[in-house]
Amino acid sequence: GEDVEQSLFLSVREGDSSVINCTYTDSSSTYLYWYKQEPGAGLQLLTYIFSNMDMKQDQRLTVLLNKKDKHLSLRIADTQTGDSAIYFCAETYYGGSQGNLIFGKGTKLSVKP
Amino acid sequence: DSGVTQTPKHLITATGQRVTLRCSPRSGDLSVYWYQQSLDQGLQFLIQYYNGEERAKGNILERFSAQQFPDLHSELNLSSLELGDSALYFCASSVRSGTDTQYFGPGTRLTVL
Repeated sequence: GEDVEQSLFLSVREGDSSVINCTYTDSSSTYLYWYKQEPGAGLQLLTYIFSNMDMKQDQRLTVLLNKKDKHLSLRIADTQTGDSAIYFCAETYYGGSQGNLIFGKGTKLSVKP
Repeated sequence: DSGVTQTPKHLITATGQRVTLRCSPRSGDLSVYWYQQSLDQGLQFLIQYYNGEERAKGNILERFSAQQFPDLHSELNLSSLELGDSALYFCASSVRSGTDTQYFGPGTRLTVL
């Protein structure tokens, strides 16, 4: 079955870069997403990448995809205390009528001043 | 603000009771998805509706049901509630189905006492 795995915790200093990693199981045609959840809040879509891409950059966010290893990473440059949150990696499927997301357990990012 | 609204924000009820959670999708979105977030199970897909019809089912208990109305809002009904049903329930919407990006509402926190 499909599975998405992430490490549970990451702690960085303000101003450093954060790298959150994720591995997924499904193969060819997949969209992969990063969502952010702040305490007591809903899920905010940060960015997404299609599996025929290697990299996507959006301001401070860089997504890298290694299709061979089914490994996805989210890099946050110049991490700020406001970036402290739980980050979820999620995958879905291209081409089917079914579009539900499969989430990892989330990585809790703590940013120390 | 994603444009997806959910009511109520909080719900406290007793075991054995029945509750209804409501979701209004973003304007123009035809698909609605329901997810459950709990500490032990993480984020799990429950059910998807597309333009009024059930499209996909995930780990939804038989005590739970949902529907999507002609105006595209959706309701999730939870009955014979148990302590373990305490969780955050999220609704998401997308334009169509398949791989369309899903935007999440703020969630309803259900506490069963």
